[in-house]
Amino acid sequence: GDSVTQMEGPVTLSEEAFLTINCTYTATGYPSLFWYVQYPGEGLQLLLKATKADDKGSNKGFEATYRKETTSFHLEKGSVQVSDSAVYFCALKRGETSYDKVIFGPGTSLSVIP
Amino acid sequence: DAGVTQSPTHLIKTRGQQVTLRCSPKSGHDTVSWYQQALGQGPQFIFQYYEEEERQRGNFPDRFSGHQFPNYSSELNVNALLLGDSALYLCASSPEGRSPQHFGDGTRLSIL
Repeated sequence: GDSVTQMEGPVTLSEEAFLTINCTYTATGYPSLFWYVQYPGEGLQLLLKATKADDKGSNKGFEATYRKETTSFHLEKGSVQVSDSAVYFCALKRGETSYDKVIFGPGTSLSVIP
Repeated sequence: DAGVTQSPTHLIKTRGQQVTLRCSPKSGHDTVSWYQQALGQGPQFIFQYYEEEERQRGNFPDRFSGHQFPNYSSELNVNALLLGDSALYLCASSPEGRSPQHFGDGTRLSIL
């Protein structure tokens, strides 16, 4: 079945460091890919998305490129801030309709220290 | 414009009891999905409601049931609670035919 794999955390970085969180997926067809972020005590917020191969999603300095050849959707940010400390979830959705469930990875916890 | 709202925020129950969680979708959204997020894990899909019917279901036992009302709000019911049901329960809404889903802040359910 469809699945998402993420690099294990926790990840600890100093402020202004470069961030990469690896994500690979297994799915039939051409899923839409997402990154969600969860701050402590809160629900999930959509960070960015890509719906087809070679699309680049970007938001708040974060970006990820849909790589069909490597079935990957790695999250990157050039300079992290303390406020980026959160849990990041890579996810996929098989189709564009809301009928399709979202499949999440296990999450990667990020701590940014001053 | 209010987003997805869930109630209650926190709930403590004992084994064997029953619980009802509530969700109001974002304005303009007619589809509601429920997820269970155990501590340290990603959310797992429970089921989805559209037009007051369960449209899709994940790998959860029949103890988990739901309902959607004509105003699109939804309830999640869990019977015969087990310790393993302790989790954050997330509701997500979306407009039919369009992505992505918008999530509420969840209900933290603790089973003693």
